[in-house]
Amino acid sequence: GAVVSQHPSRVICKSGTSVKIECRSLDFQATTMFWYRQFPKQSLMLMATSNEGSKATYEQGVEKDKFLINHASLTLSTLTVTSAHPEDSSFYICSVGLAYEQFFGPGTRLTVL
Amino acid sequence: GIQVEQSPPDLILQEGANSTLRCNFSDSVNNLQWFHQNPWGQLINLFYIPSGTKQNGRLSATTVATERYSLLYISSSQTTDSGVYFCAGPSGGYNKLIFGAGTRLAVHP
Repeated sequence: GAVVSQHPSRVICKSGTSVKIECRSLDFQATTMFWYRQFPKQSLMLMATSNEGSKATYEQGVEKDKFLINHASLTLSTLTVTSAHPEDSSFYICSVGLAYEQFFGPGTRLTVL
Repeated sequence: GIQVEQSPPDLILQEGANSTLRCNFSDSVNNLQWFHQNPWGQLINLFYIPSGTKQNGRLSATTVATERYSLLYISSSQTTDSGVYFCAGPSGGYNKLIFGAGTRLAVHP
């Protein structure tokens, strides 16, 4: 399967600051990556589709100006949480598709104080 | 997109017991995956199984696409099987996934 990394694994920031999370596809080029969010004891919810060379597409209810996605290369997508607030504290996970399967990164735990 | 329902929501087992987890989906699917989320949050791919039966060691899965459900069997459970098991089906675009609520499994020694 595909190998996906994320950085950082956890981050703590103050309210009002911005945080950037990186997702890398380590062993193949991915024109599309996906970003999910998971609150404690809940399921994963798809936030957006990251498209290399074009704008991301966001799921209903996800603020595109708050969650900025940049897919700068075929191996890297970044998610920037702008002006983070405590309610943005969550576990953020990215995935890439290989054939018909999705493979997930290890996740980034964001805590906003 | 489809709706995905999992049952049971919680399961407690004694080590060595067998269990069956169920995933129902509201429409026909061409992509159905089972994952295990370990205590550190990592999602581990168990099966890609849009139809038929697959086995991998103590785990096996069966999807009956015409009846819109999939089953995950865990035999001779071990404490390391603890965690949350998710099934996920397609949401709109072929590679987008919608997840069920998960089954939280605790295996005690």
